[in-house]
Formats: sequence, C-alpha cells, structure tokens
Amino acid sequence: DQQVKQNSPSLSVQEGRISILNCDYTNSMFDYFLWYKKYPAEGPTFLISISSIKDKNEDGRFTVFLNKSAKHLSLHIVPSQPGDSAVYFCAASAKGAGSYQLTFGKGTKLSVIP
Amino acid sequence: DAGVTQSPTHLIKTRGQQVTLRCSPKSGHDTVSWYQQALGQGPQFIFQYYEEEERQRGNFPDRFSGHQFPNYSSELNVNALLLGDSALYLCASSSTRDRVNSPLHFGNGTRLTVT
Repeated sequence: DQQVKQNSPSLSVQEGRISILNCDYTNSMFDYFLWYKKYPAEGPTFLISISSIKDKNEDGRFTVFLNKSAKHLSLHIVPSQPGDSAVYFCAASAKGAGSYQLTFGKGTKLSVIP
Repeated sequence: DAGVTQSPTHLIKTRGQQVTLRCSPKSGHDTVSWYQQALGQGPQFIFQYYEEEERQRGNFPDRFSGHQFPNYSSELNVNALLLGDSALYLCASSSTRDRVNSPLHFGNGTRLTVT
C-alpha cells in the first residue's frame, strides 16, 4: 500500500514556465515532508522541505505547498530551467521516526524543454 | 569535503550468493541509513545504524543485515540472494548533532544485479 503517491510518472514543461509536481499521502502520522531531485547515475539530492506546522516554504525558484486537510503537497519551480530536468521524489517522515526513515513516492520525471 | 561514498558502483551476483556493500558517510556524520530502490520505484528504507547498533528497521527480511564500524562507515549484507534483490542500494548519512529533521545526504548507490 503506497503511503506516498506521485500519480504523474512524467511531466514536460517549456523553459521559463512553471513546473508543478504533485504528491499525495495517506498516513496521518507524517509530519515532515521533503523533495529530492535525482539525476541518472547519482544519488538523490535534497531540494526543499516543509514541516506540517507550515503550509508554504520557499527557497529561491522552489516553493513547496502543503495542504494537510487534503493530504496533498506540491512543488513549484519558477522559472523552469533545462538543468531542472531530473526525477523528483516526494518523501515523508512520521512523528517519532526521525528524518532517517523516509517513505518515498515513485517519482516524477521532469523534462524541461529549451 | 567528501560526501557519502559507496562501493562498488556495480555488482553482479548469482541467485543464492551473498553480497556485501560498503558505505562511508559524509565527513562529520555519525548515522547511516540504507535504502533499496527497485526499478521504477522510490527508495525504500531498509535500516538505520547509529553508535554501531541497528536503531530502526523497515520491512525487510533477516537476509538483510548490516554493521557500523567505529569510524561510522557501514556495510550492508544480503544473504541467499533472490532475483528480486536486484536494485540500486543507496546509503544515506546524517548527524545526530544537526537539528531535528535535517535532510539525509545520499551516496550515488551500488547497482546490484542478481542473475
């Protein structure tokens, strides 16, 4: 049973436009959420995170929104750049589990077209 | 400053064999976690080591075991390999001295193929 779901396996966006990646979760015990980016032949790289006490966190071109009532979060990238082309994983950790035990979604492959 | 390093990068084993994967955490980190990423899936938590002991474990059978050494490096051992163990094995490190929920730093992984 997938506790973290990324329902879009892939997404294509024109350079300069906004990329929106979505993630849904089912476990009410999740209280911390992260986005990781992964290039081929490399390990995942941390991008941005958000605690359940917030509904928005921004870092440069990247913004994560959290809607707890809908158990939904999204990652916005504005403007999108070709170097953003990668697989994006949504991950969550539960209260008491610490940041070591993350539950990941299956990922969304983002392609930014020049 | 070296990040998380894993060895080997690729490995081919036969069903029933045993394998050992190695990980050196990022400098200054004392905690190591291991993840398995099957093709088309997200990483799945195997276990976490701190102070040379297994602290948390995911839903993996006892064929998966690990070890952490005094220098914080770690090994992942898998016995009686199955075809389904073919995956990318990722090591991640963090520091207990960092703030709560500090993000994990991942290595580039070991690609294990079981034939």
